[in-house]
Amino acid sequence: DADVTQTPRNRITKTGKRIMLECSQTKGHDRMYWYRQDPGLGLRLIYYSFDVKDINKGEISDGYSVSRQAQAKFSLSLESAIPNQTALYFCATSDRSGSRAFFGQGTRLTVV
Amino acid sequence: AQKVTQAQTEISVVEKEDVTLDCVYETRDTTYYLFWYKQPPSGELVFLIRRNSFDEQNEISGRYSWNFQKSTSSFNFTITASQVVDSAVYFCALSVQGSSASKIIFGSGTRLSIRP
Repeated sequence: DADVTQTPRNRITKTGKRIMLECSQTKGHDRMYWYRQDPGLGLRLIYYSFDVKDINKGEISDGYSVSRQAQAKFSLSLESAIPNQTALYFCATSDRSGSRAFFGQGTRLTVV
Repeated sequence: AQKVTQAQTEISVVEKEDVTLDCVYETRDTTYYLFWYKQPPSGELVFLIRRNSFDEQNEISGRYSWNFQKSTSSFNFTITASQVVDSAVYFCALSVQGSSASKIIFGSGTRLSIRP
């Protein structure tokens, strides 16, 4: 089984719909991250969490919210999806040293 | 503030050529990690290497080698005798070690195309 699991892997949704992307990990790491990848822009940080009670905005948090339900689970929500949120989304974990990040397989989201 | 710059957006070379991907980073911290990841067309992120700020030894792994120079804040990646399977997007990333405010920052990536 993968250390970091993202669901769904692919999703097509309509403008204005609410959608949740889920991430779970078996690494026992405190830190979890959500990134968005757009062509030519690399991975940009949306939100990150250093433990269950510590959630922080990244560089592009507008239009997104997150929930850290447990150490192992970190969900990303789009309250009202819009087409420019079409992207590849990655969840990642790391330990407190930040010495290595483990990534999920990615969720390809299309908003039509 | 932390920043990673990969100035080369796209590189295209003929198979068997050597190619170097550049990475320049910025941080005020003295302890940090640098990484390279590969993203093949299938989309997943594949970890290639990690280097901490106190270890400036260059590393070689098969056809891959990495040159870390703190004096120029660079962590460049060279592929020797490139192959078509090396075609991918490559990301350089930075993480400040142990900081309560640290997060992993990525460069914008370099798309490498190896032509047969």
